[in-house]
Amino acid sequence: RKEVEQDPGPFNVPEGATVAFNCTYSNSASQSFFWYRQDCRKEPKLLMSVYSSGNEDGRFTAQLNRASQYISLLIRDSKLSDSATYLCVVNNGDYKLSFGAGTTVTVRA
Amino acid sequence: EPEVTQTPSHQVTQMGQEVILRCVPISNHLYFYWYRQILGQKVEFLVSFYNNEISEKSEIFDDQFSVERPDGSNFTLKIRSTKLEDSAMYFCASKLEGERNQPQHFGDGTRLSIL
Repeated sequence: RKEVEQDPGPFNVPEGATVAFNCTYSNSASQSFFWYRQDCRKEPKLLMSVYSSGNEDGRFTAQLNRASQYISLLIRDSKLSDSATYLCVVNNGDYKLSFGAGTTVTVRA
Repeated sequence: EPEVTQTPSHQVTQMGQEVILRCVPISNHLYFYWYRQILGQKVEFLVSFYNNEISEKSEIFDDQFSVERPDGSNFTLKIRSTKLEDSAMYFCASKLEGERNQPQHFGDGTRLSIL
């Protein structure tokens, strides 16, 4: 089983729509969780950390379900600039990050 | 906002040659990392470095790879004898010491092309 699995998409949505997608992780001892976004051939950029109680950052809402070992990201009121690949990232300790393969979101005008 | 910087942005090298990729982590960060991303694939962990030694390394990080922090600012990745399959984007990242929930911050990468 892969350490981090994501639906690759693509999710094609119109501007203003809401889009949501999940990620599952295999290591129940995982300690911290993040969503990064990656634009084509660029570096991963931190979008938000994911906290146990769920958290919001503007139009973005992240949820963590430790019992089922999944993380979700919801984007409200999508903008054209939200078009990117969203990477689910898990930290199993002080050291390495484990990346999912990414979920591609395309927002159309 | 402070950022991780990497040089060069693109490196083209003949197979079998040595290559050194350079990174300047954020100045007050103490954990350093190298990742790679082969075109069309996910980001993969290579190595982490703390307190002047390797903390963890992946199966990818074999004897052909080495890392060094030669001075107070640079963090380098050396590939001793490059292979075609080493062609990838290489990302350096750094993190503050202490809190496990601190995210890693990535440089904009070096594209390595092996001919």
